[in-house]
Amino acid sequence: DQQVKQNSPSLSVQEGRISILNCDYTNSMFDYFLWYKKYPAEGPTFLISISSIKDKNEDGRFTVFLNKSAKHLSLHIVPSQPGDSAVYFCAASANYGGSQGNLIFGKGTKLSVKP
Amino acid sequence: DARVTQTPRHKVTEMGQEVTMRCQPILGHNTVFWYRQTMMQGLELLAYFRNRAPLDDSGMPKDRFSAEMPDATLATLKIQPSEPRDSAVYFCASGLGASVGGETQYFGPGTRLLVL
Repeated sequence: DQQVKQNSPSLSVQEGRISILNCDYTNSMFDYFLWYKKYPAEGPTFLISISSIKDKNEDGRFTVFLNKSAKHLSLHIVPSQPGDSAVYFCAASANYGGSQGNLIFGKGTKLSVKP
Repeated sequence: DARVTQTPRHKVTEMGQEVTMRCQPILGHNTVFWYRQTMMQGLELLAYFRNRAPLDDSGMPKDRFSAEMPDATLATLKIQPSEPRDSAVYFCASGLGASVGGETQYFGPGTRLLVL
């Protein structure tokens, strides 16, 4: 039973346009969410995170939105660049009694940004 | 430029052989994670340590896998005996173990294992 789901295995976007990557989760105890980017033959690289006390976090071209009632988060990339082409993983964790639990990852969405 | 390092980057071995993968976490990080990535399962947590103590290894097949932290600068993942189904990319990650606000994990480049 997947607790973190990325239902789109792939996404293709034109350079300069917005990329929207989606993630759904089932565990209401999750209180910290992250997005990682992964290039082939490399480890995942941390991109941006959001705590459950917020509904938006922005870092340059990247914005993560959290909708707790819908158990949904999304990553917006504006404007998209060819270098953004990678696999994006959504991850979540729960804080149990002050001790952060491990990350649960989605299966990833492959983003292709075409020039 | 602090990074998690992993060795070897690639390993090809025959079924039944022992495989040892090593990880050097970022200096100062007190949590270390081992993940396995396969096409079918995605990224799965195998085990993790905090302050060198194992906190969770429920994701790891106990009969053949073992994870240790001999010291704060070295984590090892061992498979003995290896099987073809163990073929995957194994990632190590480290973090600061933040108790509030969430913890960000920083990944190494991975060890690509092929068991023939």
